[in-house]
Amino acid sequence: QTVVTQEPSFSVSPGGTVTLTCGLSSGSVSTSYYPSWYQQTPGQAPHTLIYTTNTRSSGVPDRFSGSILGNKAALTITGAQADDESDYYCVLYMGSGIYVFGTGTKVTVL
Amino acid sequence: QLQLQESGPGLVKPSETLSLTCTVSGGSISSSSYYWGWIRQPPGKGLEWIGNIYYSGSTYYNPSLKSRVTISVDTSKNQFSLKLSSVTAADTAVYYCASSSVFGNWFDPWGQGTLVTVSS
Repeated sequence: QTVVTQEPSFSVSPGGTVTLTCGLSSGSVSTSYYPSWYQQTPGQAPHTLIYTTNTRSSGVPDRFSGSILGNKAALTITGAQADDESDYYCVLYMGSGIYVFGTGTKVTVL
Repeated sequence: QLQLQESGPGLVKPSETLSLTCTVSGGSISSSSYYWGWIRQPPGKGLEWIGNIYYSGSTYYNPSLKSRVTISVDTSKNQFSLKLSSVTAADTAVYYCASSSVFGNWFDPWGQGTLVTVSS
């Protein structure tokens, strides 16, 4: 069973930069996995931030960016704001119609 | 623009079958551009993909749930449905429906989610 790993938590100062990663238990993440990123605040449905590695969803501020860093997908928040405090999830497409969600990262802004 | 809305019982007894429906508005479920999927989130835990269906009826399931899951589509009602059999307390979760683009494999939009509790 493939596991998609994310850092459990990160803390960032207002105005600071944080990079979250999304890796595979076995192997490297590439654009062929179509990594996407979602933000979720308590009690709300997830909201799409980034798809196909680095395309921002409509209305998403440009302080959010996606990339491949080494062997992982990455989400970078540049100039963090208080309302960026959320849970963040990545999703990888494994092929043959199968998707796997990452374990999620809780970001605290303080 | 597409909007999705889940509906179904909020309480299911152990060993019974959980049944949910997702109604699609603002677009056709027969569109060749989308898969239609189900995702769940147990209280306080992360997201888990359950499965997807294409308007043609082709289905794709999470291997860990495949033996208990059935997803179907009703194009006449612009709806798709989830059935999860032999439920236990571990199936208690918020269940989301979402569309998934065939061009880039991301989930958007999402329904608001519905909490299903498995309890006697």
